[in-house]
Amino acid sequence: KAGVTQTPRYLIKTRGQQVTLSCSPISGHRSVSWYQQTPGQGLQFLFEYFSETQRNKGNFPGRFSGRQFSNSRSEMNVSTLELGDSALYLCASSIGQGSGYTFGSGTRLTVV
Amino acid sequence: DQQVKQNSPSLSVQEGRISILNCDYTNSMFDYFLWYKKYPAEGPTFLISISSIKDKNEDGRFTVFLNKSAKHLSLHIVPSQPGDSAVYFCAASEVNGNQFYFGTGTSLTVIP
Repeated sequence: KAGVTQTPRYLIKTRGQQVTLSCSPISGHRSVSWYQQTPGQGLQFLFEYFSETQRNKGNFPGRFSGRQFSNSRSEMNVSTLELGDSALYLCASSIGQGSGYTFGSGTRLTVV
Repeated sequence: DQQVKQNSPSLSVQEGRISILNCDYTNSMFDYFLWYKKYPAEGPTFLISISSIKDKNEDGRFTVFLNKSAKHLSLHIVPSQPGDSAVYFCAASEVNGNQFYFGTGTSLTVIP
C-alpha cells in the first residue's frame, strides 16, 4: 500500500512569504501529525489532526497552522516566514491513539 | 522542556559488535515507547516499540529494554552492520496520548 506522501520535497522561500505543505496519509489512517526537525532539536511536535479536528498542538507560534480534509489529507501553513523556520517538516499518519507513526519523507523548507 | 533525552549525539561501533543507544525520559505518565531510524533525506522509519507492561522486546537483531523505575530505555543492536548507520530517535507517549515526544537523536556509525 502507498506510504505517507508529502509534497513538495523541497521548497525555497523568502522571509515574509507564506508556505503551504501537503500530506497524504496512508489509506485508512485518520490521524495526521506534523513535526519540525532541526539540527540538535530532534523532532518538535507541531499539531495532530483526527477526523478534521485538531486534537493537540505543540508550542509553536500562531504563524503555524494546519487543517485536515474529509479524506484525511492534511495541509500545514506557515505565514510570515522567518529564517529560523528553515527545517525539515515531517508528516506522520497513524490509525489512531496509541498507535505508532508512519512518516513521510518530509518537505525541506529553506527560508532565505 | 525536553521530556525525552538522548544524551549521546553520536556513537561509533565496529561491525559485528553491539551498539547500545540510550534514552531517558522525565514524564512518569509515558507508557509507550518507540525507536525510529532515519537515513538522510528520508523520513524516520519505525524500528521497534515497547509498552510499559514489558521490560524487554526483541525483533531480530534489535532489542529494546525498559527500566521504568529509572525512566530509561535502551536499544541494543547485535550484531551491528554498516547498514545500521543512521540517526536513531526514541519517542514516548502517554496512555491514549495523541502526541509522541521525541529525543534529539543519536547518530550511529558502524565501521566496517
